[in-house]
Amino acid sequence: AQSVTQLDSHVSVSEGTPVLLRCNYSSSYSPSLFWYVQHPNKGLQLLLKYTSAATLVKGINGFEAEFKKSETSFHLTKPSAHMSDAAEYFCVVSGRSGFKTIFGAGTRLFVKA
Amino acid sequence: DAEITQSPRHKITETGRQVTLACHQTWNHNNMFWYRQDLGHGLRLIHYSYGVQDTNKGEVSDGYSVSRSNTEDLPLTLESAASSQTSVYFCASSEGITDTQYFGPGTRLTVL
Repeated sequence: AQSVTQLDSHVSVSEGTPVLLRCNYSSSYSPSLFWYVQHPNKGLQLLLKYTSAATLVKGINGFEAEFKKSETSFHLTKPSAHMSDAAEYFCVVSGRSGFKTIFGAGTRLFVKA
Repeated sequence: DAEITQSPRHKITETGRQVTLACHQTWNHNNMFWYRQDLGHGLRLIHYSYGVQDTNKGEVSDGYSVSRSNTEDLPLTLESAASSQTSVYFCASSEGITDTQYFGPGTRLTVL
């Protein structure tokens, strides 16, 4: 069985400070992992994805995530937050055999000036 | 540029009415999906399709149906709308089953 848990429903940071959005997953086999971003009243957009190549994955807009199999984590980070990063972020796990894509409940990121 | 569009963007309907939400993609993707998004639940899969004439139920399929007569379109039908189906609906498509999904802008449906 697969599952994904986003550990924080809300995260608030100041502009220019680091961002950490936490995601733990559970999967019976090697999963594909994704982070999507959703700005208000918009559809979801892919930030980055992990598919068993490099464990440190770089995405758009300065975001990156590290796949840690021993910790079953795929946390999203950014060194310096920008006001435009304020949005909702979804961690997603997808299985390789058969269709099983599971979305986390989302983490809303607030960025203070 | 390839894209995925949804219509209408906003819809208000009454309990018991049949409603159809349209989804059209120009990616030429075989795989298409319908999700609903509700506060505290993230996105939940309603139905999905691997190709023409193929449809499958997701985790919250009760009260919904889809049909796939061509590659580009996957309309979602609410047979008899209920207030519990008030939600934002997203359509998505992907090239491979577990590949990146490309999302439409969403349809906000209100059932009164």
